[in-house]
Amino acid sequence: SQQGEEDPQALSIQEGENATMNCSYKTSINNLQWYRQNSGRGLVHLILIRSNEREKHSGRLRVTLDTSKKSSSLLITASRAADTASYFCATVGYSTLTFGKGTMLLVSP
Amino acid sequence: DVKVTQSSRYLVKRTGEKVFLECVQDMDHENMFWYRQDPGLGLRLIYFSYDVKMKEKGDIPEGYSVSREKKERFSLILESASTNQTSMYLCASSSRTGRGGNEQFFGPGTRLTVL
Repeated sequence: SQQGEEDPQALSIQEGENATMNCSYKTSINNLQWYRQNSGRGLVHLILIRSNEREKHSGRLRVTLDTSKKSSSLLITASRAADTASYFCATVGYSTLTFGKGTMLLVSP
Repeated sequence: DVKVTQSSRYLVKRTGEKVFLECVQDMDHENMFWYRQDPGLGLRLIYFSYDVKMKEKGDIPEGYSVSREKKERFSLILESASTNQTSMYLCASSSRTGRGGNEQFFGPGTRLTVL
């Protein structure tokens, strides 16, 4: 399985701080995606980074990809209480996604 | 506004019942997916479909079947529900791509409890 594994499993920070989540995976990928899930809801796509890209930005999100280490990181800058959610990385081999178990982020006011 | 809808948010069924979970997308997507999500196990792919009347097994297809008679609709069927199928079920869709997966759009989920 090429399932991604997020680290840490849980993260608690204060509003305004930065949050960094990491994802490691086992086999080669076409792209890697990050999703957010608010409690008890469906997942929302955040960002996609292709295997030939090293860094990508979207608003307050910054994603890096290191294919030599088979790892990715998601940085959320200047976090807000509304960022409280679970974050999942998903790796793409051919065309299906394989999700990790997620990082639960709690941002306190 | 793109949308994936699922027939129920919450469902309670008895062991042995036949259960239908319906998913509809309005984005004209070719690909549709069914996942289940369990604490500590993350999301696991049950079945997916690349086109009408086509289906492919995912990682955990046992105990499930699917139906895709129309492009916009993908149904998950539990032929004889069991307690170990109590879970959150998530449907997703994506556009077709020749290589690599595109972003997936998810429905709100159905929390199924089998008693």
